[in-house]
Amino acid sequence: TQLLEQSPQFLSIQEGENLTVYCNSSSVFSSLQWYRQEPGEGPVLLVTVVTGGEVKKLKRLTFQFGDARKDSSLHITAAQPGDTGLYLCAGRGYQKVTFGTGTKLQVIP
Amino acid sequence: DTGVSQDPRHKITKRGQNVTFRCDPISEHNRLYWYRQTLGQGPEFLTYFQNEAQLEKSRLLSDRFSAERPKGSFSTLEIQRTEQGDSAMYLCASSGGFLNEQFFGPGTRLTVL
Repeated sequence: TQLLEQSPQFLSIQEGENLTVYCNSSSVFSSLQWYRQEPGEGPVLLVTVVTGGEVKKLKRLTFQFGDARKDSSLHITAAQPGDTGLYLCAGRGYQKVTFGTGTKLQVIP
Repeated sequence: DTGVSQDPRHKITKRGQNVTFRCDPISEHNRLYWYRQTLGQGPEFLTYFQNEAQLEKSRLLSDRFSAERPKGSFSTLEIQRTEQGDSAMYLCASSGGFLNEQFFGPGTRLTVL
């Protein structure tokens, strides 16, 4: 069974601070997605990383896939209240996608 | 917008009643997934279709749950004899293309009284 653990589970920070969310597994994934979900809505795809060591940037968000394709991180620079939400990583194995446990982020104005 | 749509968005029912949810995927996607999500947790996989074939079912999917995708387009998820423990958000996603990225619908929030 593939498991994806995210840390931290909860994060409450002030506007303007930086943060990093981690997604770790003992399994290798062919690709990994990051999603953001707001209350009462479905997850929205932010990015897909495919290659080991790959780094992708989306405005103030930086995503990295580990060299061995077992882990990933999401770094947010100068967080804003609009970044508040549940962040989910999802690893794609053979015909199966495993979701992480989620990181709930609150950015206080 | 031709994203994934789900209907209804909210459903309140009494214990023991049957409920049915519908999902319309992105039109060119051949894969469709159902998930269940409880508050603050990640989605839990329920079942998966490729075209009209149901290829995988989770052990979470008890005999009271059934899903169909009769023409390989929209899908329905039915829960019979609902229980309070069925209260959750039910999410549908579809995927296609080389990366098979999953795109989610807005979900159906089920409350069983």
